[in-house]
Amino acid sequence: QKEVEQNSGPLSVPEGAIASLNCTYSDRGSQSFFWYRQYSGKSPELIMSIYSNGDKEDGRFTAQLNKASQYVSLLIRDSQPSDSATYLCAVALYNQGGKLIFGQGTELSVKP
Amino acid sequence: KAGVTQTPRYLIKTRGQQVTLSCSPISGHRSVSWYQQTPGQGLQFLFEYFSETQRNKGNFPGRFSGRQFSNSRSEMNVSTLELGDSALYLCASSSGTASYEQYFGPGTRLTVT
Repeated sequence: QKEVEQNSGPLSVPEGAIASLNCTYSDRGSQSFFWYRQYSGKSPELIMSIYSNGDKEDGRFTAQLNKASQYVSLLIRDSQPSDSATYLCAVALYNQGGKLIFGQGTELSVKP
Repeated sequence: KAGVTQTPRYLIKTRGQQVTLSCSPISGHRSVSWYQQTPGQGLQFLFEYFSETQRNKGNFPGRFSGRQFSNSRSEMNVSTLELGDSALYLCASSSGTASYEQYFGPGTRLTVT
């Protein structure tokens, strides 16, 4: 089992819809969770961090964390074509000095 | 605040050569992590330096090495290059404590021919 798993996609949604991206992790000791967005040919950009169970909202983005079920998700409301990118889930392993483990990423395509 | 910088941005080398990549973290950040990104393997962790000490290491051969200087700038070296080393090499800057948020530089695209 991979330490961090994501659906590879591609996930295609129409403009204005809600895009839902999911991630599961295996290490129960994980404490910090991150979502990065990576446009083609660019480096990853941190868009959300979440540390405790529940929802965290930032503009059109909402991160959801459920430590009991070991999953973290990212919702993008009112999706725009400019949201088309690969979204990477990352988990910090505190027992390894905060080392980040990344999922393979989910490619999102928002169709006008 | 200036972001993470990496030099060079692009590099072409031949098999057997060695290469050194440089990364300057965000001012005040003491941790630098290095990653290799390829289409097939995704983002793979190479190593992390914190206050000039290697704190974490990934599963890469000894040809991959790094170091960190007292000003937190970091270098990564790959010796005896192989074709499979062609990749985007990314460094990420972090405070190294508390939240562990990492901020990436633009990357160095290495092509080995």
